[in-house]
Amino acid sequence: EVQLVESGGGLAQPGGSLRLSCAASGFTFSSNYMNWVRQAPGKGLEWVSLIYAGGASYYADSVKDRFTIFRDNSKNALFLQMNSLRPEDTAVYYCARGGDYHDSPGYFFEWGQGTLVTVSS
Amino acid sequence: ETVLTQSPATLSLSPGERATLSCRASQSVITYLAWYQQKPGQAPRLLIYDGSNRATGIPARFSGSGSGTDFALTISSLEPEDFAVYYCQQRSNWPPTFGQGTRLEIK
Repeated sequence: EVQLVESGGGLAQPGGSLRLSCAASGFTFSSNYMNWVRQAPGKGLEWVSLIYAGGASYYADSVKDRFTIFRDNSKNALFLQMNSLRPEDTAVYYCARGGDYHDSPGYFFEWGQGTLVTVSS
Repeated sequence: ETVLTQSPATLSLSPGERATLSCRASQSVITYLAWYQQKPGQAPRLLIYDGSNRATGIPARFSGSGSGTDFALTISSLEPEDFAVYYCQQRSNWPPTFGQGTRLEIK
């Protein structure tokens, strides 16, 4: 059974930083695309970032140059380093498996329970 | 980016009825469209991908159809646990984008 468990959310001040983590199990982590998707309170879903099995990464324009996605395949872990945080970054952040590297990325097959990030002074 | 517009915003139906939810794309997404279900306080769950393929463990009452710019999610006979918010999402044109959601509520 695929399990994704996020951690690291909390309260940050505008301009501050947070690092989110996602512990993965139940699948071959090293051969899968992984994503972060967020949902502002009471709003819809927004894709944030994608990382390929080999480490290539992509970002939504709204977070480019502020957020960095990375992974540690030896520990089955995914991370999101968030810098220069803004109030509009307030959201639940979900870790989501994006499929095996044989396929094309872009879907979100399983999701974690999410971790809430609040950016406020 | 590709904008996905879902309709209606809210759909009120009774258990046992048939539900049809629509998703229209601002440009062709071929058949690279998925549907997700989200219940309050829970993460989204993938129901359908590539337009019409059911994800693992999804009941047969859920079906997807469409291609190009017009897609539909049909629930053939609503069960009490189906009342939730549904999102469509495309992966054809980068970046991946979601619709704004359709709330399916009990009438």
